[in-house]
Amino acid sequence: AQTVTQSQPEMSVQEAETVTLSCTYDTSESDYYLFWYKQPPSRQMILVIRQEAYKQQNATENRFSVNFQKAAKSFSLKISDSQLGDAAMYFCAVKNNNDMRFGAGTRLTVKP
Amino acid sequence: GAVVSQHPSWVICKSGTSVKIECRSLDFQATTMFWYRQFPKQSLMLMATSNEGSKATYEQGVEKDKFLINHASLTLSTLTVTSAHPEDSSFYICSARLPQGGGGNIQYFGAGTRLSVL
Repeated sequence: AQTVTQSQPEMSVQEAETVTLSCTYDTSESDYYLFWYKQPPSRQMILVIRQEAYKQQNATENRFSVNFQKAAKSFSLKISDSQLGDAAMYFCAVKNNNDMRFGAGTRLTVKP
Repeated sequence: GAVVSQHPSWVICKSGTSVKIECRSLDFQATTMFWYRQFPKQSLMLMATSNEGSKATYEQGVEKDKFLINHASLTLSTLTVTSAHPEDSSFYICSARLPQGGGGNIQYFGAGTRLSVL
């Protein structure tokens, strides 16, 4: 079984500043994928970024980047130059084959 | 990215009636779709994995006779909540995965269905 832990129920960041959301996971699989999804008030799940576990290089998507520490089973998300539209629930997920598990989520507030 | 359409977005029904929720992959064929349930301010909980042409695989604790899943085509999966009761009120989200080998195991999500049982 795979488990995901997001230890920060809520986070706040000032507009244009940088914020890091934490995520740790546990899996017995050697081949898996890691994801960050964003869920705004509309509740539509939006993929933010993904990382293949076999890749050492940290994934980057514009203002979003991850710090993937495989040995520590840590997968944090860094949001740079935060924008008001970044305000949402952020879910970390680990997936192996058809089994995707989500963390409890972190609610991010962006202050103007 | 790929598009997953979910319908209806909101449904209100009387206790004891059945409700069907549709999930369609609009621009790709999805041999596998997933159904999640999300309670207010909580995470997504996987209910079942829907496989085209075969029976769905249900997670432990999910009543298969209560939540009927039919994946009759490569682009459509349906979830029917049978004899709905107020405790079934929740937000249901479907998801579809690109065919094996495509897209790096990304799952695309529908916009969700809010079910309110009176």
